[in-house]
This record gives sequence, structure tokens and C-alpha cells, in this order.
Amino acid sequence: LAKTTQPISMDSYEGQEVNITCSHNNIATNDYITWYQQFPSQGPRFIIQGYKTKVTNEVASLFIPADRKSSTLSLPRVSLSDTAVYYCLVGDTGGGNKLTFGTGTQLKVEL
Amino acid sequence: EPEVTQTPSHQVTQMGQEVILRCVPISNHLYFYWYRQILGQKVEFLVSFYNNEISEKSEIFDDQFSVERPDGSNFTLKIRSTKLEDSAMYFCASSEVAGGPYEQYFGPGTRLTVT
Repeated sequence: LAKTTQPISMDSYEGQEVNITCSHNNIATNDYITWYQQFPSQGPRFIIQGYKTKVTNEVASLFIPADRKSSTLSLPRVSLSDTAVYYCLVGDTGGGNKLTFGTGTQLKVEL
Repeated sequence: EPEVTQTPSHQVTQMGQEVILRCVPISNHLYFYWYRQILGQKVEFLVSFYNNEISEKSEIFDDQFSVERPDGSNFTLKIRSTKLEDSAMYFCASSEVAGGPYEQYFGPGTRLTVT
């Protein structure tokens, strides 16, 4: 499993764009990059997944450079409700594979 | 939107007692998982289950733990003799067959408190 490194915490204000970067130098060819979000006392929730370049959905964008050794989760115009822990996971997309969570990035959004 | 449900939301038990945590995965999903999260710590994988058998288990999932899918809809985690250190949030998750996105759907969790 590729080891991931992401900031422990980030602070932002409502309406700003937040970019959380994750390093994964040992990513393997078959590995995808996936981000989950977790609110206090709730289960993690899938946000976005990508393999290379850029992926965008209604919630976020994921930027992956050509070498795939890092990735950036971009949250446009955050609100207070985006305050959560964000996890970067790297692994094979085979069904049934366990998810290995790190400590994640605690994002705090203020007014 | 379909969701994973878990019962109870909170379970308090005495050390040494057996507990069963229940989960109803999303109906067309075929892979099932249990994770736990001790307060203030990481989410940890316990076990994965497919085709009525364990696919993978972690070191945490020792002989005191077992899983079962008794009736085709429920997925249970049993802890035979609880210890104080079993106190944690337990999350059930499910996912579709391989080939789709690497997405697991998590339930809201059961908070287990062992006294």
C-alpha cells in the first residue's frame, strides 16, 4: 500500500476555495487516488476518485499531476458544513479491498 | 439514495458480555466490511466479507470477533467477550462488485461502550 502524507489540519473561511494536497510517492501503477470525508460521529463518505489528470464532480475537483506522486483535493467556496476530516487513500480499485485510513486533514471552516 | 443502516446507534455493555452489532447493507451490494474507530484515532479495518465468507481480516479481528450474514439482508458483527478496549465506533460498509469505482458506503455507526 502506498503511504500517504497530508497536512494534519487546515483553516479556512466561508466562500474560499480550499486545496488539500496529499503526497504518495510510492503509488503503484494499478492504484487509484480516492478521497473520503468524515464528520464527527459519522461514517466516512466517498467524495471523489481519480487516476490521472483532473476529475470533477458536483462536490469537488481532484488534480493529479503526470507523475501521480501527489494529488490535490479542491473544494470550491467552502461553507461551515464542510468542516470535517478529509482522508486521502491510495490503492487498487478491486472490489472487496479494504480501505486504509490515515489520520487525515482536519478542515475547519469559519465565518 | 440507498444507504447502509446500523443498529443500535449506541450500545452499552459490561466487560465480558457478548454483543451483536447489526447492519443492513445496500441491497445490491455484494462486499461487506466492518471498521472501527476508537475515539480520537484512525478508522481501522476489521474484516471484509464476500460470498458468505471472510475475504480478509486484520490483526484486530481475533477469535473474539465473528461476522455473519444470517438472512441475506443483515450483516452482523459479534464480539464474544467484550473488553474495555473494544469501546469504539463500529462502522459497517458495503460496496458493489469489482469493476466500479473504489467506493464503499458507510453506515452511521454503532457506538459501543464497554464498562
